[in-house]
Amino acid sequence: AQSVAQPEDQVNVAEGNPLTVKCTYSVSGNPYLFWYVQYPNRGLQFLLKYITGDNLVKGSYGFEAEFNKSQTSFHLKKPSALVSDSALYFCAVRFMTTDSWGKFQFGAGTQVVVTP
Amino acid sequence: EADIYQTPRYLVIGTGKKITLECSQTMGHDKMYWYQQDPGMELHLIHYSYGVNSTEKGDLSSESTVSRIRTEHFPLTLESARPSHTSQYLCAVAGGSNEKLFFGSGTQLSVL
Repeated sequence: AQSVAQPEDQVNVAEGNPLTVKCTYSVSGNPYLFWYVQYPNRGLQFLLKYITGDNLVKGSYGFEAEFNKSQTSFHLKKPSALVSDSALYFCAVRFMTTDSWGKFQFGAGTQVVVTP
Repeated sequence: EADIYQTPRYLVIGTGKKITLECSQTMGHDKMYWYQQDPGMELHLIHYSYGVNSTEKGDLSSESTVSRIRTEHFPLTLESARPSHTSQYLCAVAGGSNEKLFFGSGTQLSVL
């Protein structure tokens, strides 16, 4: 079955330290992978996507993600976290199979808490 | 960028009422989606559409219906609202071959 998983419910990090939010996937064929962020009382915002090409993808607000095909992972990273990065982060995969073409599935979400 | 409009922004209704949540977009994208999300929780796909007269069921579709008569409009209808329907409903739009999802501001529904 095709799926996307975020193994951590919450990630705590001190401001200025590196931030990593984990995501693994299981899909048929080549995956289209995305990261979204949801700030309190606001809608989901697109951060970055991987379709093809370089395994390291750079996105908004200084975030980047590394696609690792052998480990089926797409972890989100930021070298130096800010308090304002505290939010709920979702990994998503777009299905490309015939019976689910265009369907997006989201992970359960990871709450990031950055302390001053 | 896709401009997505969801109305109402907030809705409080009684059990058993029929309601329709509106979603419209102005960019002419083909794919539209409805997600349900409880506060701080994961998104559940309710319905999606690839274009006019095309609708598919998601994971939580059994108690709601959608229609796609026009490209820009994708309303979600609950025939008989129940307290278990209390949640946030998010409409999303995607377009192009490598599209990303753009989300509306959501409708916060409370069923008493």
